[in-house]
Amino acid sequence: DQQVKQNSPSLSVQEGRISILNCDYTNSMFDYFLWYKKYPAEGPTFLISISSIKDKNEDGRFTVFLNKSAKHLSLHIVPSQPGDSAVYFCAAHRDDKIIFGKGTRLHILP
Amino acid sequence: DTEVTQTPKHLVMGMTNKKSLKCEQHMGHRAMYWYKQKAKKPPELMFVYSYEKLSINESVPSRFSPECPNSSLLNLHLHALQPEDSALYLCASSQDRGIMNTEAFFGQGTRLTVV
Repeated sequence: DQQVKQNSPSLSVQEGRISILNCDYTNSMFDYFLWYKKYPAEGPTFLISISSIKDKNEDGRFTVFLNKSAKHLSLHIVPSQPGDSAVYFCAAHRDDKIIFGKGTRLHILP
Repeated sequence: DTEVTQTPKHLVMGMTNKKSLKCEQHMGHRAMYWYKQKAKKPPELMFVYSYEKLSINESVPSRFSPECPNSSLLNLHLHALQPEDSALYLCASSQDRGIMNTEAFFGQGTRLTVV
C-alpha cells in the first residue's frame, strides 16, 4: 500500500522554464510534507517542507503547494537550472516516520 | 555543522562476517533513523531512535541490530547478512519527533555489498 505516490518516473524541462513535480498521498493524518533532491551515490538532500496547515511555502526558486482536499502537493522550480537535474523525492511525515514516494527523475535540457 | 557523517562509505562483507555501520551528528538532534535504499527504489525506513531509545522497528530481520550509544551516535550492527541485503544504507537525524520537526538531514550513505 503506497501512501505517497509520484506517478511520473521522469520529467524533462527546458533550462529557464518552470519544472513542476507532483505528488499524491492517501493518508490524511500526515502532519507535514517534504521534498528531497538526490544525486546518484549520495544521500537525499532536504529542499523544502510544508506543514499540513499551510497551502504554500516558498524558498528562493522552490515553491511547494499543498491541496489538502485533493491530497496533492507539487514542487515548482523556477527558473530551472542544469544543476537541478536529479531525482526528486516527495515525502510525508507522521508518528516519527518519514515515508518516501518512488521519486521523479528531472532532466533539465539545455 | 549540518552534517550527518556515515562510515564507511563502501563495505563489502561475506555472509558469515560481522560488521558495523556508523553514523554521527553534532546538531543536537534527538531523533535518528536508519533507512535502506535499493537501486531505483525510495528509501525504506528500518529503525527510529528518539532520545536514544528505539521507538520504531519496521519489522527488520534480527540480522540487523541497531544501537544508539549516545545522542550523537547511531550504529547498525550486521551479522549473517544475505546477498539481497546489498543496498545503500542511509542514516538521518532530525531535531525532534512531533509537529515542530520540519526536516531530516541525511548522511551520504554506506554502499553495502554482501558476497
